[in-house]
Amino acid sequence: QVQLQELGPGLVEPSETLSLTCTVSDGSINSYYWSWIRQPPGKGLEWIGYIYYTGTANYNPSLKNRVTISVDTSKNQFSLKLRSVTAADTAMYFCARGVNYVDYWGQGTLVTVSS
Amino acid sequence: EIVVTQSPVTLSVSPGERATLSCRASESVKSNLAWYRQKPGQAPRLLIYTASTRATGIPARFSGSGSGTEFTLTISSLQSEDFAVYYCQQFNNWPHTFGPGTKLEI
Repeated sequence: QVQLQELGPGLVEPSETLSLTCTVSDGSINSYYWSWIRQPPGKGLEWIGYIYYTGTANYNPSLKNRVTISVDTSKNQFSLKLRSVTAADTAMYFCARGVNYVDYWGQGTLVTVSS
Repeated sequence: EIVVTQSPVTLSVSPGERATLSCRASESVKSNLAWYRQKPGQAPRLLIYTASTRATGIPARFSGSGSGTEFTLTISSLQSEDFAVYYCQQFNNWPHTFGPGTKLEI
């Protein structure tokens, strides 16, 4: 079955850019929507945005000015960039498959924003 | 943005008992609602989508109902692995939004 794995730095300095990549294995990235969802420690879930394998993306308006999601079908990967981060962006970041609901999730990666 | 609320915040039940969790949306989401279970240290797992359809591999003790603004997740006979946090999520309007969760505890 499809597996997703997030990779990226666990610590980002304030005002810098958070960058994560999700590798999709045991399945093709083609013909599906892919999402990023985050969860601050001890809190609920927030949908950051999603991208279709063709490259069309949509972002949560609360983050729209700071976020970019991209896809690389040749590598079966999609990526997240979140600019100008603050402590409020500290969270577990999940990559996921789906645009309406998520049927496959990565295990998540904790990103802490701190100097 | 559609605001999703859940009740109760915490539900104390015993194994083998029935649990009923509620979810409410601030405006109609038709049947565009999903339920997830999240165990500590894990990603959420999809249980129910379109309000009442069980996801692949989800046992029949899980059932969902409702439409519009009021939804219910029922777990008919609680197993040990069911003690976790449950989230509902609407996908009628973007951004898709989650409720704050209900913690099911013994």
